[in-house]
Amino acid sequence: GNSVTQMEGPVTLSEEAFLTINCTYTATGYPSLFWYVQYPGEGLQLLLKATKADDKGSNKGFEATYRKETTSFHLEKGSVQVSDSAVYFCALLSGGGADGLTFGKGTHLIIQP
Amino acid sequence: NAGVTQTPKFQVLKTGQSMTLQCAQDMNHEYMSWYRQDPGMGLRLIHYSVGAGITDQGEVPNGYNVSRSTTEDFPLRLLSAAPSQTSVYFCASSYSRTGGYYEQYFGPGTRLTVT
Repeated sequence: GNSVTQMEGPVTLSEEAFLTINCTYTATGYPSLFWYVQYPGEGLQLLLKATKADDKGSNKGFEATYRKETTSFHLEKGSVQVSDSAVYFCALLSGGGADGLTFGKGTHLIIQP
Repeated sequence: NAGVTQTPKFQVLKTGQSMTLQCAQDMNHEYMSWYRQDPGMGLRLIHYSVGAGITDQGEVPNGYNVSRSTTEDFPLRLLSAAPSQTSVYFCASSYSRTGGYYEQYFGPGTRLTVT
């Protein structure tokens, strides 16, 4: 079956530090890959996506590249802000997608001023 | 557009009580789904629907019922609540394309506590 593995936190960084959150996946076929973000007390928001190998998704300074050879979709940001503090979920959608997203367990990111 | 809306935001139930979590979307999405979020577990799919009148089970369906009488609404029913159903519940919807579905849009969640 499908699975997503991501580094578990909490991850604590200082403001303006470089961020990497690792995500690897197992799936049949060619899944679409996503990063969702959950701010405290809120629902999940789509942060970025990639639908085929070598695609790069980007949004709000965050980037992730779909690497089929390493089955990875690592999230990066060059300079984090306190407002980036949240829980980040890596997820995949495979096949027709009708059986829903497969999520990683989430990474809690804490940015200190 | 309001997007995906869920009610109530918070609910406390006693063991054995029943209730319905409401979910509605105004984006004319064919696909709707329910997830539960538990600490350290990520989100897990409970039930999903690919259109009015069509529902199917996800990863953790036991203890929950769903129906889809309209495109807009997808309620989740707990027939006899148990403490193991204490969780945060998210409803999501997605538009379809040839051969499958796109990314899902999530509601704000319902935090349920069963005592």
